Amino acid sequence: GQNIDQPTEMTATEGAIVQINCTYQTSGFNGLFWYQQHAGEAPTFLSYNVLDGLEEKGRFSSFLSRSKGYSYLLLKELQMKDSASYLCAVSDAYSGAGSYQLTFGKGTKLSVIP
Amino acid sequence: GAVVSQHPSWVICKSGTSVKIECRSLDFQATTMFWYRQFPKQSLMLMATSNEGSKATYEQGVEKDKFLINHASLTLSTLTVTSAHPEDSSFYICSARNRDRETGELFFGEGSRLTVL
Repeated sequence: GQNIDQPTEMTATEGAIVQINCTYQTSGFNGLFWYQQHAGEAPTFLSYNVLDGLEEKGRFSSFLSRSKGYSYLLLKELQMKDSASYLCAVSDAYSGAGSYQLTFGKGTKLSVIP
Repeated sequence: GAVVSQHPSWVICKSGTSVKIECRSLDFQATTMFWYRQFPKQSLMLMATSNEGSKATYEQGVEKDKFLINHASLTLSTLTVTSAHPEDSSFYICSARNRDRETGELFFGEGSRLTVL
């Protein structure tokens, strides 16, 4: 089966750094994604990792270790607008036409406080 | 860019009626589109995978006769909730993958919030 775990909630201070962890156990692996979702809105893409290592994109970085089934999303210089849910998703099962479907974790609700 | 448009954003309907939700990829072709459902404070749950020109593949527990999916072209997929009931009230989100991009990231529509009275 598919199992993706991430903490339910986290709180961090404006200007600080926060790390959101994600562990996964899936039958297949074709990449790991992080999405940001504000309440009542659709998710927006943050990052994609398919090889081990760190991918940096501005204030956001994402790390992957395939052997450990582990990823984290690092947010630096936190801003109030970063308060949102952060979804870890694994591209696993092949869904045809050269495409793989995504299985989502339950999401981590991040609250940034002044 | 890669824009996915979903319509309508909000819909309120009476129990027993049917509701159609459209999902369009505006600037790319999507051979595969995915339909998700999200209940309050929960993550996205995949309902079905829609492949252009063929029947949709439904996830376990999703009734294919209740949630009709049509993917008639490379830029349009529709989800019809037939004989809707209050328990069908949810946030429905479509997503598509640009077949010309290697990363395989999903682009999401804005979502459609369905309330069944």
